[in-house]
Amino acid sequence: GAGVSQSPRYKVAKRGQDVALRCDPISGHVSLFWYQQALGQGPEFLTYFQNEAQLDKSGLPSDRFFAERPEGSVSTLKIQRTQQEDSAVYLCASSLVGLAEQFFGPGTRLTVL
Amino acid sequence: AQTVTQSQPEMSVQEAETVTLSCTYDTSENNYYLFWYKQPPSRQMILVIRQEAYKQQNATENRFSVNFQKAAKSFSLKISDSQLGDTAMYFCAFMKQDDYKLSFGAGTTVTVRA
Repeated sequence: GAGVSQSPRYKVAKRGQDVALRCDPISGHVSLFWYQQALGQGPEFLTYFQNEAQLDKSGLPSDRFFAERPEGSVSTLKIQRTQQEDSAVYLCASSLVGLAEQFFGPGTRLTVL
Repeated sequence: AQTVTQSQPEMSVQEAETVTLSCTYDTSENNYYLFWYKQPPSRQMILVIRQEAYKQQNATENRFSVNFQKAAKSFSLKISDSQLGDTAMYFCAFMKQDDYKLSFGAGTTVTVRA
């Protein structure tokens, strides 16, 4: 595709529900990143993949957050037992390699009621 | 952890005028990269300009230029000849050399008035 795509664009979940957020990176991009952007704040790093390997998950806020990229392309960020504090925009970015320019997707706005 | 501070939550500028956004950062690193990202209301963030810390010359991209003061740890963005399409939130970001994580400031909302 022409850019990074994310789905769904909006997600409303009841507290305690599990959610799955999808990211389709730019074709051929080796590196993939997830960021969390709270309302009125800048994005914060969650996790980093190089191909299918998750090289850094230091930013994941709790063990309820899990990310995967099994075939080195599409990635899914899963949040189990959602809490109100999980409400945020989740941004995905990809780059050719880790140190290159990161291209961002439009984000998924998650609202937990 | 690196700290990036944007002290101006909101800025307003008349079309065709110039606006300058401030950014300061805190790091013990000597080599790093600095970025300005633009996030329009549609929320897809795009890179505006990038500066390598080892370069003394300030980066310029068309109407966008930076004033990089390494000793002061300051990295301001100047938007010249502002256009309505420049209306967006602007984020300053930091990346250590040989790293991949971006550390963002809280952002500055820029509104260009017709």
